[in-house]
Amino acid sequence: KAGVTQTPRYLIKTRGQQVTLSCSPISGHRSVSWYQQTPGQGLQFLFEYFSETQRNKGNFPGRFSGRQFSNSRSEMNVSTLELGDSALYLCASSSIFQGNTEAFFGQGTRLTVV
Amino acid sequence: AQKITQTQPGMFVQEKEAVTLDCTYDTSDPSYGLFWYKQPSSGEMIFLIYQGSYDQQNATEGRYSLNFQKARKSANLVISASQLGDSAMYFCAMTGKSGGSYIPTFGRGTSLIVHP
Repeated sequence: KAGVTQTPRYLIKTRGQQVTLSCSPISGHRSVSWYQQTPGQGLQFLFEYFSETQRNKGNFPGRFSGRQFSNSRSEMNVSTLELGDSALYLCASSSIFQGNTEAFFGQGTRLTVV
Repeated sequence: AQKITQTQPGMFVQEKEAVTLDCTYDTSDPSYGLFWYKQPSSGEMIFLIYQGSYDQQNATEGRYSLNFQKARKSANLVISASQLGDSAMYFCAMTGKSGGSYIPTFGRGTSLIVHP
């Protein structure tokens, strides 16, 4: 069974640009969550999608958005990049949403904003 | 609001010995889940163990066990017979309702180094 796949693994962007990250969940999983990990703030929840609908959202500005497709693949978009957006962005999939079940994480996309 | 506290930024253990990683939590939701994840240098978060707030017994998964003390709001991870491959960051996390929203919350992590 293939794991969670995130692409690309590394990105370098310039301040002010926008970026799109992709996440393919484990086959059969319909919940996809996104996290930002930085040395200063740790691991923070961005949002969760289930059946193409955003179900939960963390405390991030509107520059951070996402969507989920009918095949459960998800994309995350960050517009007007700031230096502080440099982070490891992790995607996690699970079989149910808002559930007390384990999430399976991808290896992440490391975004550097210069 | 939910909160996870991991007070040990770094821990060292000798190979084959047991080690306990501390985690305390705070929540007003009576229904919640507690998790431990391992993050090696590659970046991927690896699920280790889960404990539900209503579970009567402590969770165990192979060499991992979760020492759940509900009254003290603690969920310590015990790794028995440490191996060199256990060297990694370890994160305690919880799920549950916070202010009407479902927000998974992670601690700041503990760096574990296993010495040969």
